[in-house]
Amino acid sequence: QVHLVQSGAEVRRPGASVTVSCKTSGYTFRNSAIYWVRQAPGQGLEWMGWINAANGHTEFLQRFEGRLTITRNTSASSVYMELSSLTSEDTAVYYCAREYRNGWSRAFDFWGQGTMVTVSS
Amino acid sequence: DIQMTQSPSSLSASVGDRVTITCRASQSITNFLNWYQQKPGKAPKLLIYAASSLQSGVPSRFSGSGSGTYFTLTISSLQPEDFATYYCQQSYITPPVTFGGGTKVEIK
Repeated sequence: QVHLVQSGAEVRRPGASVTVSCKTSGYTFRNSAIYWVRQAPGQGLEWMGWINAANGHTEFLQRFEGRLTITRNTSASSVYMELSSLTSEDTAVYYCAREYRNGWSRAFDFWGQGTMVTVSS
Repeated sequence: DIQMTQSPSSLSASVGDRVTITCRASQSITNFLNWYQQKPGKAPKLLIYAASSLQSGVPSRFSGSGSGTYFTLTISSLQPEDFATYYCQQSYITPPVTFGGGTKVEIK
């Protein structure tokens, strides 16, 4: 059974950084990319970036370039998302999600439970 | 970037109703379109991938259709557990992955 388990809620001051972890199990870690999606309170879903679990290649939404880092630890089957220079607009639930490929089609078939990050002074 | 536009943004329906949600892409995405269901406080759940393929374990009352720029998600007979927010998402040209704004299905 595939599971993605994220770290717990975080509270940060403006200007600080936060790291959210995503521990995977139930499948071969290197075989599937992991994506990060966030959702501000009462808002829709916003893709942030992704990491190729096999080789560590990453791509990000352009507006996060320079303050978003995604890494992985293959021995721990875990992925980490670090967001720096936080503002109140970064207050959101952050999700990791596994990529599912069917031919050329890609979707997100398993998701973490979400991590609430609150940025407040 | 490809923009995804869902309509309506919300709807009210009764148990047993047939419900259709539409999603339009700003350019052709062939069939690289996925649908998700999200309930309050929960992570999204994949319902449909590649426009019309039902994800394993999803009830057959859910169906998807469309290609190019126009797509629909249909619930043939709305059940109490289907009241949720639904999102479309394109994976044709990435990055970035883009989602529609969501459609909230409420009880009439």
